[in-house]
Amino acid sequence: NAGVMQNPRHLVRRRGQEARLRCSPMKGHSHVYWYRQLPEEGLKFMVYLQKENIIDESGMPKERFSAEFPKEGPSILRIQQVVRGDSAAYFCASSPLGDRGRNEQFFGPGTRLTVL
Amino acid sequence: KQEVTQIPAALSVPEGENLVLNCSFTDSAIYNLQWFRQDPGKGLTSLLLIQSSQREQTSGRLNASLDKSSGRSTLYIAASQPGDSATYLCAGGYSTLTFGKGTMLLVSP
Repeated sequence: NAGVMQNPRHLVRRRGQEARLRCSPMKGHSHVYWYRQLPEEGLKFMVYLQKENIIDESGMPKERFSAEFPKEGPSILRIQQVVRGDSAAYFCASSPLGDRGRNEQFFGPGTRLTVL
Repeated sequence: KQEVTQIPAALSVPEGENLVLNCSFTDSAIYNLQWFRQDPGKGLTSLLLIQSSQREQTSGRLNASLDKSSGRSTLYIAASQPGDSATYLCAGGYSTLTFGKGTMLLVSP
């Protein structure tokens, strides 16, 4: 059973370009979470999705950031018009349950975004 | 708003010592408390999950406890080894997780 997969592992963008980060959850998991780890800071929750639904986006910046988890295919975190402050490690996690119960989250290796 | 604090921020011990990492949280309504390990430049590895109805979980040399009344969790590592060197993170919440900033552990041979 493959773990959570993220690609690309490293992404370099120039200011103003778009960044697309992909996440494939573990088999059997229908809940996906995105977290961001800024340099010298802890991990911060961004958005929580189920298939075709955004459940909680309270941690997502209001502008330039969007996320989706389509019926088919991976979850996508999209950052438009990137700025240097977007440089960070972006982690995706998946779980079999959304709330309550044994909601153990499993993390992918992350995508390290560098904005030049 | 849930806040998670981890003490100490860094810890250096000789191989073989038993050690305790501390985690405190502000919202006692926490439902799941999860401990992770993160190696430099890598992702997070889940170590232990404690649900709110539980008081502790054990896996090998690791034991995690949860005391909701005091808002604390501890991770106990027995007979530490150099391979245990990493940053240890605790995180709690219902569906989404709030993370502490971690304890950076160095176990020297």
